Amino acid sequence: QSVLTQPPSVSGAPGQRVTISCTGSNSNLGAGYEVHWYQQVPRTAPKVLIYSKNNRPSGVPDRFSGSQSGTSASLAITGLQAEDEGVYFCQSFDNTLNNVVFGGGTRLTVL
Amino acid sequence: QVQLVESGGGVVQSGRSLRLSCVASGFFFRAYGMYWIRQAPGKGPEWVAVIWHDGSNPEYEDSVKGRFTVSRDNSRNTLYLQMNSLTVDDTAVYSCARRVETPMGGLYFDLWGPGTQVTVSA
Repeated sequence: QSVLTQPPSVSGAPGQRVTISCTGSNSNLGAGYEVHWYQQVPRTAPKVLIYSKNNRPSGVPDRFSGSQSGTSASLAITGLQAEDEGVYFCQSFDNTLNNVVFGGGTRLTVL
Repeated sequence: QVQLVESGGGVVQSGRSLRLSCVASGFFFRAYGMYWIRQAPGKGPEWVAVIWHDGSNPEYEDSVKGRFTVSRDNSRNTLYLQMNSLTVDDTAVYSCARRVETPMGGLYFDLWGPGTQVTVSA
């Protein structure tokens, strides 16, 4: 059972917009700790997509954006492409556990 | 090329040991704190161990305390995870990851290795 809660799967057609939610609690997202998002394509290393709520590392397209409010956060992907298929997971810090916490991951399928 | 590459995984029986390695290249390894993170089938990632840039202050997730030991050799740009008394619950892909602190006091991982599979049989 992951500390951060994500839907197991989402899907969308090419060109559409999808969002992935990440729900935490008052000891992590609600305490103001930033959310970070990763993309994991099979047989490759996870890659950070969004760090500190809504910052994109160099090379990540602006089709990816993040937001955070209270105990929730979300990742939005616009202009969905086949290459976006993979698993997305959120991560933050928890001041009760005093270490990083992750979501269970959401599998994105491009129809 | 900036990368992390793990090795040392395999299939072992419950109660046995394994030693994982993570070789860093393309960046100043000794400047970064490092994590071991594992991902069991169908589950989200879980941190296992962390070690500071200079090898101090190792910390462990509760379920591996007393069984796992994290260490590093900055002269070899290598991170290690010694895993003893393995159980079936330790079955997962184990990745090393580079730690980055944020100005707001949080932290994230800006570089991951692809991972090495550890399978523990009963």
